[in-house]
Amino acid sequence: LAKTTQPISMDSYEGQEVNITCSHNNIATNDYITWYQQFPSQGPRFIIQGYKTKVKNEVASLFIPADRKSSTLSLPRVSLSDTAVYYCLVGDMNTGFQKLVFGTGTRLLVSP
Amino acid sequence: GAVVSQHPSWVICKSGTSVKIECRSLDFQATTMFWYRQFPKQSLMLMATSNEGSKATYEQGVEKDKFLINHASLTLSTLTVTSAHPEDSSFYICSAGRLAGEETQYFGPGTRLLVL
Repeated sequence: LAKTTQPISMDSYEGQEVNITCSHNNIATNDYITWYQQFPSQGPRFIIQGYKTKVKNEVASLFIPADRKSSTLSLPRVSLSDTAVYYCLVGDMNTGFQKLVFGTGTRLLVSP
Repeated sequence: GAVVSQHPSWVICKSGTSVKIECRSLDFQATTMFWYRQFPKQSLMLMATSNEGSKATYEQGVEKDKFLINHASLTLSTLTVTSAHPEDSSFYICSAGRLAGEETQYFGPGTRLLVL
C-alpha cells in the first residue's frame, strides 16, 4: 500500500481558498487517490476521488499531476465549518474492497 | 445512498465486561467491512477486515480473541470487545464498500467506548 505524506496542520481564514497537498511517491498504476474529511467524534466522510488530471465536485477540486506522485485538495472559500482533519489515501479500488491505511492527516483550522 | 450506521453511538461499561458494537450498511450490501480504532488526536488504525461468511482477518498486533468479529450477513458486522479494560477505551469506526463497481469505502459514525 502506497504511503502518503501530508502537512500535519494548516491555518486559514474564512473565505480563503485552501490547498492541501499530499505526497504519494510509490503510487501504483491501478491506485486511485481519495480524500476524506473527519470532524471530531465522527466517522470520516468521503470528499473526492480521482485518478489523474483534475476532478471537481460541489465541495472540492482535486488536482493530480501527470506523474501522480502527489495530489492537491482544493477547498474554495472555506468557512468555519470546514475546520476538520483531512486525510489523503491511495489504493487499488479496482480490486474492490480496499482496506484503507490512514496517515496522519492534515488538521485544518479556519478562523474568522 | 451508501449509508453505514453503528450502534450504539457511545457506551460506558465496567472493566471486565464485554461490549458488542454493530455496524450496518443500510442501503447496500457489503461483502467486506472494516473495523478501525482511533485514539484522541490520532489517526484511524485498521484493526481487522470482516468478511461475510468467513473468519475475519486481523492486523498485526490486534488480538483476535479479544476483539471478536462476526459478519453473518451482507449488511451486518459486529465487533465484540471481550473483557474490556480501560486501555480499550477508544473510538471504534467501521466502514463498508458496496459490491462490484464501488469506488470507495463508506464510514459509520463511530462508537465511543469508555471502560471504567
